[in-house]
Amino acid sequence: NAGVTQTPKFQVLKTGQSMTLQCAQDMNHNSMYWYRQDPGMGLRLIYYSASEGTTDKGEVPNGYNVSRLNKREFSLRLESAAPSQTSVYFCASSESWARANSPLHFGNGTRLTVT
Amino acid sequence: RKEVEQDPGPFNVPEGATVAFNCTYSNSASQSFFWYRQDCRKEPKLLMSVYSSGNEDGRFTAQLNRASQYISLLIRDSKLSDSATYLCVVNEIKAAGNKLTFGGGTRVLVKP
Repeated sequence: NAGVTQTPKFQVLKTGQSMTLQCAQDMNHNSMYWYRQDPGMGLRLIYYSASEGTTDKGEVPNGYNVSRLNKREFSLRLESAAPSQTSVYFCASSESWARANSPLHFGNGTRLTVT
Repeated sequence: RKEVEQDPGPFNVPEGATVAFNCTYSNSASQSFFWYRQDCRKEPKLLMSVYSSGNEDGRFTAQLNRASQYISLLIRDSKLSDSATYLCVVNEIKAAGNKLTFGGGTRVLVKP
């Protein structure tokens, strides 16, 4: 029972390098999300996809792009990494963005360091 | 003022004791509420939803006070395994969907 799987678990980048974080869910959820978690800041929404074929900006989208490849997969791309993007990134999914009591299911996280 | 605020702790709790902590929210349009648990260097996991009348799940009790705009979590008979960070999540329902806002978390350390 995999749930939400994200890769890689760890990554070190130099400033200006690019990378893509991969996320897949096997729960047939409609909505998927990318969050970042920084000390003292709580989780902040970067982008979300309410349903297959749609993506929208969250609270902190600058410097990121996303692709909802199909219902299962939602990737996050950093085109030109900056030290301010050093963080822990979590992918999550839920049955529906529109349902109030639709809880989030999180992946294991990616620890990204940009030097 | 942050939209969702939590005392970061840590709350140092003797094993077997009761601990309670609150989460305050600023948006009166918030309509649903959750507590998540996050272990060190792990992903958050849903602990429980919070309903208007309050709800209980084993040793955990969640309460909502809409008038004062806070939710609370109480843990009875604390176990060592309850040591974690507890995240409060507040959901504002908008026409386009839901806006979930996370608190910074309250750290609980249960000690023998």
